[in-house]
Amino acid sequence: GDSVTQMEGPVTLSEEAFLTINCTYTATGYPSLFWYVQYPGEGLQLLLKATKADDKGSNKGFEATYRKETTSFHLEKGSVQVSDSAVYFCALSDRNGGSYIPTFGRGTSLIVHP
Amino acid sequence: EPEVTQTPSHQVTQMGQEVILRCVPISNHLYFYWYRQILGQKVEFLVSFYNNEISEKSEIFDDQFSVERPDGSNFTLKIRSTKLEDSAMYFCASSPRDRGGETQYFGPGTRLLVL
Repeated sequence: GDSVTQMEGPVTLSEEAFLTINCTYTATGYPSLFWYVQYPGEGLQLLLKATKADDKGSNKGFEATYRKETTSFHLEKGSVQVSDSAVYFCALSDRNGGSYIPTFGRGTSLIVHP
Repeated sequence: EPEVTQTPSHQVTQMGQEVILRCVPISNHLYFYWYRQILGQKVEFLVSFYNNEISEKSEIFDDQFSVERPDGSNFTLKIRSTKLEDSAMYFCASSPRDRGGETQYFGPGTRLLVL
């Protein structure tokens, strides 16, 4: 079945450092890929998505490129801020019968220090 | 910007009691979902709902669970007889009609604690 593997956290960085959170996937079809962010005490928010190979999703300085050849969708940001501290979930969504059922990774906690 | 809302934000209940978790999806969305996240673990799909019926459900969604859309706005998850292992954060999500509900918008969640 479909699966998503994320790097284990926590990832601890200083403000303005470069961020990479690795995500690889296994899927039988041609899924869409997503990154969700969960700030402390809140629900999941869609951060960015890509629906086909070589697409780049971007939002709030974050970006990720759908790499079919390496089955990856790594999240990057050039300069993190303290306010980026959150848990980041990589997910894929593939049609299962009539609807899309997303598969989530375990989440990677990001801690950014001033 | 429209949001998915959920009530209550927290609920504590005794084992064996029934709980109803409520969600108000975004008004023009057509697909509705429930997920749960046990503390420290991944988000798990429970059920999807479209056109007033369940379209998909996971193994977790057994006979103790049911969903309803009693009116045009609310979407509820009922757990008939709660167990300790039902303690989790429950998220509702909704989706417009883009490629069959591919992009989902999540509510803030209800934290359920079963004692």
